[in-house]
Order: sequence, then structure tokens, then C-alpha cells
Amino acid sequence: EAQVTQNPRYLITVTGKKLTVTCSQNMNHEYMSWYRQDPGLGLRQIYYSMNVEVTDKGDVPEGYKVSRKEKRNFPLILESPSPNQTSLYFCASSFRGNTEAFFGQGTRLTVV
Amino acid sequence: GEDVEQSLFLSVREGDSSVINCTYTDSSSTYLYWYKQEPGAGLQLLTYIFSNMDMKQDQRLTVLLNKKDKHLSLRIADTQTGDSAIYFCAERVPDKLIFGTGTRLQVFP
Repeated sequence: EAQVTQNPRYLITVTGKKLTVTCSQNMNHEYMSWYRQDPGLGLRQIYYSMNVEVTDKGDVPEGYKVSRKEKRNFPLILESPSPNQTSLYFCASSFRGNTEAFFGQGTRLTVV
Repeated sequence: GEDVEQSLFLSVREGDSSVINCTYTDSSSTYLYWYKQEPGAGLQLLTYIFSNMDMKQDQRLTVLLNKKDKHLSLRIADTQTGDSAIYFCAERVPDKLIFGTGTRLQVFP
């Protein structure tokens, strides 16, 4: 089954404790991206990757890192999480950057 | 600049039609999409329209595009309680999709 898998689904952590949210897709898509969803703000793109070893900042990259060592995986790293990073995070993949996007189930992160 | 706007809430009675509106600013958009997000889930593509079309119908869904006014709408006929969700429009520009803020549709009996 074609899918985008994120882990974990829910995470509560403390300020400053490094964390990684994993994302994997099995559709051989070139393009992957991370979004955060906040009430009234819709989806805002954090980082994206057009292919292996090619990543770039989205609209709200501050406080986040990503890597794309393999085509299928695109982890999101928070080196020193802060409470303003409490949000619902989505990973998405698509054949290209502007074609239909397939979304993961989301990761609800709470930073206390 | 790039911006996609939607109203935040819509409430309709079961069986009525729902119309969700969206405005966008980038005239280079080639496709426009509607996504549905059910509680606790990710976004799923509902339908899309190519920018040289002005209407597309898919069962209970009708998408209308006014390219001159950069206005997109999604009409859901015979709205059911299972249609309660957040609906996002998105425009396709050269490198990415730009999403609107989402409209929360609430269907009451």
C-alpha cells in the first residue's frame, strides 16, 4: 500500500531535549516536505527536499533541521525544542514539488 | 506574494449544500487542489482542477474556478455528517503547493 509513515504519532518532551520525527515513503517520490499546522494559520512549510542530498528552507525553518540521505526517508530534527514548536507536524511526499502531495498521519508534538 | 485565503468556519444542516470558498494570488498557478482532513488524520486529496477549466464535477463535489478573480470554490451537495472535516485549498506554483488556512465544516442534523 502506498503510504507516508511518520513516527511517533504523539510526543511530549521538555524544552531543550533534542528529538527526531521520522518520515518514510514507499512511492519512490523525489520530493518530500515537512509542514506544521497551527490553528488559524493553515499548513506552513518548514523544509523540503527535491531529491537525495538536496534540501532547502520553507517558510518557517527556524529551529528545525532535516536530512535526506536516502530517497525514502526525510527526518525532522529539533536540536533544542522550545514551547513555540508545540504543533501538529505533517510529512508529505510527491513525485515532484508541484504534483499531488501524499500526507502522513501527523505527529502531535508538545514541548513543555 | 503567494497567499491563499479561506474562511475559517462553515456550519450547515445535513442534506443542504455546502460551499467552501478560497482566493489565491499567484496567477502562475497551474492546478488547484482541495484536500480534506478528518479529525486525527492527515490530509487526503479530494479533487483538483486544472487552471484552464472553469468547472469540474465529481459525484457530490463541484469545483468552480474563476481565474480572473482568482477565486476557487468547492460545493458539496447533500452534505452528510461524514463530511465534517477541515477542507484545505492549495495552489500549485512552479516549485511547491501553497495551502490555505483551512475551513472547518461542521454538519449538524
